[in-house]
Amino acid sequence: GQSLEQPSEVTAVEGAIVQINCTYQTSGFYGLSWYQQHDGGAPTFLSYNALDGLEETGRFSSFLSRSDSYGYLLLQELQMKDSASYFCAGPDRGSTLGRLYFGRGTQLTVWP
Amino acid sequence: DAGVIQSPRHEVTEMGQEVTLRCKPISGHNSLFWYRQTMMRGLELLIYFNNNVPIDDSGMPEDRFSAKMPNASFSTLKIQPSEPRDSAVYFCASSWDLNTGELFFGEGSRLTVL
Repeated sequence: GQSLEQPSEVTAVEGAIVQINCTYQTSGFYGLSWYQQHDGGAPTFLSYNALDGLEETGRFSSFLSRSDSYGYLLLQELQMKDSASYFCAGPDRGSTLGRLYFGRGTQLTVWP
Repeated sequence: DAGVIQSPRHEVTEMGQEVTLRCKPISGHNSLFWYRQTMMRGLELLIYFNNNVPIDDSGMPEDRFSAKMPNASFSTLKIQPSEPRDSAVYFCASSWDLNTGELFFGEGSRLTVL
């Protein structure tokens, strides 16, 4: 079954900041990735955390705490085009490298 | 450089028919993944290959599903016979280095089984 948990939906207004949390269970940790998907299109890679701490890429940042089995994606200066589904992804319990599982996704709606 | 290419983009078929989905990974990528996405189950990993060899097929739902990768530039996912519950979007993805956590996804094949 699923071992990555994230909220099903989040709403915010343009210009705001939103944080999407992800908690996971894994015994073979290789890092936590984040993906964006618009309207059922191809998921696209946003960021990857292999170590604890914050990784910043423009308006998006991703954080990881391996001791807490927790990570988040931070989106700043929200724009309408950021409305999409966001997925955290990582290895399942006991998996080998490559067996990447995805959370159920968080639907972000940005209002004007 | 072209991304991951999948075909067909849309397929509508009748229950019992054979379905073949195709994927061309990005040149130079040595890992290839097949995922299925539905509202009920989200993104499910079906199988993945490394250097054309199937590494883990434990996500393949049942014997009706089979996947092959005859060479580094081509993979197929076959469903025979198809059933209405197989209706989903099937994504192919490739990666050049799994340690980066980055997969490159194709646009998907939307399958409808009537």
